[in-house]
Amino acid sequence: NAGVTQTPKFQVLKTGQSMTLQCAQDMNHEYMSWYRQDPGMGLRLIHYSVGAGITDQGEVPNGYNVSRSTTEDFPLRLLSAAPSQTSVYFCASSETQQGAYGYTFGSGTRLTVV
Amino acid sequence: AQTVTQSQPEMSVQEAETVTLSCTYDTSESDYYLFWYKQPPSRQMILVIRQEAYKQQNATENRFSVNFQKAAKSFSLKISDSQLGDAAMYFCAQETSGSRLTFGEGTQLTVNP
Repeated sequence: NAGVTQTPKFQVLKTGQSMTLQCAQDMNHEYMSWYRQDPGMGLRLIHYSVGAGITDQGEVPNGYNVSRSTTEDFPLRLLSAAPSQTSVYFCASSETQQGAYGYTFGSGTRLTVV
Repeated sequence: AQTVTQSQPEMSVQEAETVTLSCTYDTSESDYYLFWYKQPPSRQMILVIRQEAYKQQNATENRFSVNFQKAAKSFSLKISDSQLGDAAMYFCAQETSGSRLTFGEGTQLTVNP
């Protein structure tokens, strides 16, 4: 029972570099999403997916890309990192559309862009 | 747009006493879920309690209960018999269609021995 697995846990990037944050779940959940957490602002939705092949933008999508080729994986790509993307990133999944069973979160990735 | 507001950035409570964390939200939807999540220093997001909007009865999970006032769009969390392990950041969240969560800013709870 791994739940939601995020890698890496920590990352330092230079401005302009690209990278992919990995997210995988083994619960066969249809719904997956990415959030960023900044001090004093709670968590904000970046992108989400309601199933394989279907993605959509959340509240703060600029500078991030996603794809969902399988039910299990939902990677988040930073194409050209900027200091404003320094944050803690969380991936989450849920079984149903209306969260009757709650959402399962990964342990987060702390990203620093210098 | 959905908004969730937690007006108490910090709260403190004595061990074994009761504390209430406030949350208000704004939505035009008639059916939705509300959640309280706990985030300890480990950074892990832990579900504390959830409430479905169409259910009148307030949700309860052991020492945690909510006061859900749908008309007032208020969703407060009461922690009874507070324990040292309850110290954490608490987030209120509302689910919108498509399995998306809107979070409040968080309340940092300190439990004093």
